[in-house]
Amino acid sequence: ETGVTQSPTHLIKTRGQQVTLRCSSQSGHNTVSWYQQALGQGPQFIFQYYREEENGRGNFPPRFSGLQFPNYSSELNVNALELDDSALYLCASSLSRDGRGEQFFGPGTRLTVL
Amino acid sequence: SQQGEEDPQALSIQEGENATMNCSYKTSINNLQWYRQNSGRGLVHLILIRSNEREKHSGRLRVTLDTSKKSSSLLITASRAADTASYFCATDAGAGGSYIPTFGRGTSLIVHP
Repeated sequence: ETGVTQSPTHLIKTRGQQVTLRCSSQSGHNTVSWYQQALGQGPQFIFQYYREEENGRGNFPPRFSGLQFPNYSSELNVNALELDDSALYLCASSLSRDGRGEQFFGPGTRLTVL
Repeated sequence: SQQGEEDPQALSIQEGENATMNCSYKTSINNLQWYRQNSGRGLVHLILIRSNEREKHSGRLRVTLDTSKKSSSLLITASRAADTASYFCATDAGAGGSYIPTFGRGTSLIVHP
């Protein structure tokens, strides 16, 4: 157990809907990153938040957005859901924002878009 | 596109044998990390090796890094059934304080008891 929690565990939505996923960082970690992992693939970096500001973004459209709160917990919002958004969404917290340290991953949220 | 690519895609061995997985990447890195994932769950960090290091050990794990060949290997010695999982390498390609980690597709390891 890493101390990083995510909710919900599983979620089923229909195409066109919006979804919000939540992540609670490990205590003391000020950086959180979000990843999308399709079946049989490695995690794809969506974006990273450091002290409530976006600090790097992968190749994802603007309908993927996020927030980080003063307590360093975070949300991932996806608008206008598409079938290809079905995946495991992982968040990871860390002490460093430059990738020089270990990331602690949560168990993930499994999103299915019908 | 994925910078890190693991090889082989799948590996099946008997308990007690050693397992070797390789990772190749394309651009310069600051460090390379190996992670393990059990059956669609969260990833667990195994080891981080910096670009100026050539080898690192952690318990039964041995990681090497060859920056001239842009490759790394993960060796698990005396494997156990509990080592069955997917293993990923991750490289960082960010600069100036930003961090853009890139994971490969992973190696699926099955250790038969």
